[in-house]
This record gives sequence, C-alpha cells and structure tokens, in this order.
Amino acid sequence: SQKIEQNSEALNIQEGKTATLTCNYTNYSPAYLQWYRQDPGRGPVFLLLIRENEKEKRKERLKVTFDTTLKQSLFHITASQPADSATYLCALDYGTARQLTFGSGTQLTVLP
Amino acid sequence: EAQVTQNPRYLITVTGKKLTVTCSQNMNHEYMSWYRQDPGLGLRQIYYSMNVEVTDKGDVPEGYKVSRKEKRNFPLILESPSPNQTSLYFCASSARGVFTDTQYFGPGTRLTVL
Repeated sequence: SQKIEQNSEALNIQEGKTATLTCNYTNYSPAYLQWYRQDPGRGPVFLLLIRENEKEKRKERLKVTFDTTLKQSLFHITASQPADSATYLCALDYGTARQLTFGSGTQLTVLP
Repeated sequence: EAQVTQNPRYLITVTGKKLTVTCSQNMNHEYMSWYRQDPGLGLRQIYYSMNVEVTDKGDVPEGYKVSRKEKRNFPLILESPSPNQTSLYFCASSARGVFTDTQYFGPGTRLTVL
C-alpha cells in the first residue's frame, strides 16, 4: 500500500528564514499532490496543488516542487513569520476522483 | 460565506449508543467526504460521496454508515460506537472530486466514546 512520510514531526526555524518541509511517498506517483495547513483544533485549509507534469508551483511566499523520480515533494515558505506556525499536511491525489491520501503532517514553529 | 459546517463540535457518549454527526455545505459541491484524524496516523478517509445517492467506502469504513439524500448534507452515522472510534472527525467537500483547486474542510467534531 502507498506510504507517505513527512519529515520530522516538528520543525523549528527562526523568523525570516526559509522553512522547507518534505513529503516522500512510495510506490507509484500521484497525478496531483496537494498541501494543506492545519491550525490546532481547526480543519485543514488548502494551500497549493501541483500536477505530476509540473516541476514547481508558487503562490506568494509559498513554493512547492514535485520530483516524480525521487518520489518527493518539497514545500518552502520564504521569509517565514510566527503566523506561519502550524501543521502542514501533504496529500496524494491519484486523479481517481475518489480520495486523497494524507501524510501525518509536520508541525512548523517559527520563532520570533 | 462559503463553508462546511459540522454538528456537534464536541460529543462524549457511551459504547453502543447510536449517534449521528451532521455535515452541511453551502457551495453546491458534488463531492463530500468524511475523515478521521488520529495522532501519528494523519487523516484517513472513512466514506465519500460523488453525488446524491452515490457513496463509497474509503480506507476505514468499518463501524460507520453514511447517506447522501440531498446534495448539501452528508451525515456520518455510528450505529454502535466503540472506544476505538474516539477521534477527531472532519467533513470535506469539493466541486468536482479531489482533482480540483480546493477541498473545503469543516471545523471538526471531537468524539469521545467511553
């Protein structure tokens, strides 16, 4: 079965630095890969989607890359701020219009 | 405001007492889904629905039922809850299935089964 690993359960960085979160998967590559943000006690909020034929996607301070050879997606937050502190989830979407498979998330803390 | 609502937000119940968690969306979305979230296990899909009267099992359907009689509502039913169903539950919806720009999640229902 498909397995998704997100780097270390917790990541602490200094304000202003770039945070890099990793999402690795086994087996076959998804058609799409999505990233979500989840704050404590709240539902996940969609951030970005990248397709398997796209190398990189950007949205404001966010950047996502997708390497199907390495079976890996990287999620970058540049010029990080304390307000970026949250848990970030990656989700694999095989384009079957049926379901997303989520990783367990990485808890990011941006220190002032 | 576009949103997914869930009720109740918190529920403590006892083993075997049937309960229903409601989910409603106001975006006219065809696709709706239920997930449970447990520490270290991430979000796991319970059931999903592609449209009215069309439902299917996700990864962890045992012990749950759903129905989709109206487009906006997708209740989750636990006929005989057990302690291993203690979890945080999320409902989600999207316009055309998962390969779309946005999947909207509800605020969550924290269920404790004693």
